[in-house]
Amino acid sequence: SQTIHQWPATLVQPVGSPLSLECTVEGTSNPNLYWYRQAAGRGLQLLFYSVGIGQISSEVPQNLSASRPQDRQFILSSKKLLLSDSGFYLCAWSPPQGKGSYNEQFFGPGTRLTVL
Amino acid sequence: AQSVTQPDIHITVSEGASLELRCNYSYGATPYLFWYVQSPGQGLQLLLKYFSGDTLVQGIKGFEAEFKRSQSSFNLRKPSVHWSDAAEYFCAVGAFGNEKLTFGTGTRLTIIP
Repeated sequence: SQTIHQWPATLVQPVGSPLSLECTVEGTSNPNLYWYRQAAGRGLQLLFYSVGIGQISSEVPQNLSASRPQDRQFILSSKKLLLSDSGFYLCAWSPPQGKGSYNEQFFGPGTRLTVL
Repeated sequence: AQSVTQPDIHITVSEGASLELRCNYSYGATPYLFWYVQSPGQGLQLLLKYFSGDTLVQGIKGFEAEFKRSQSSFNLRKPSVHWSDAAEYFCAVGAFGNEKLTFGTGTRLTIIP
């Protein structure tokens, strides 16, 4: 069966510090990968998605970036955090197109980021 | 472009009562439709999905949803809610050839004794 991991679970960082959040998926190959952000009491905002190694699509221009160095690894980064980067960050995966996939996404447990 | 509307921001239901959460979508072709549930501080869990065929789909935790093309709706139902159903519920729509899902803004469900 497939599992998705995110770490760290919680993070408190000062403004201007760097950020690295990691997401890994087990039990599948060539998944589509996604980063979302939830601000307090708000819905889901898609930040980045990737359909393959080194292929990143950005949905929202901001000071965040994403990378996919390995097939099942997705990293969210920032060089300098802003107060507005605080939120709940969710990673998700979906089966690749063409393998009986209907684009259902499966979510990780999330990372709570507080920028002070 | 796809869009999803969840008209109810917050719903309060008594334990044991029936539940219906509304979801309306906008999409030209046959959509893929999903309901997710999120408990506080947790990730989203897939409750059920519709791709084609029988318009009434069963999901986990006793939930069901009905696809009504004429009304562009995919409402979530449960005959009798439990206190553990208190959570945020998200409807989402996808489509063939599109790697992304479009999520609604969510409905927060509160259960009272």
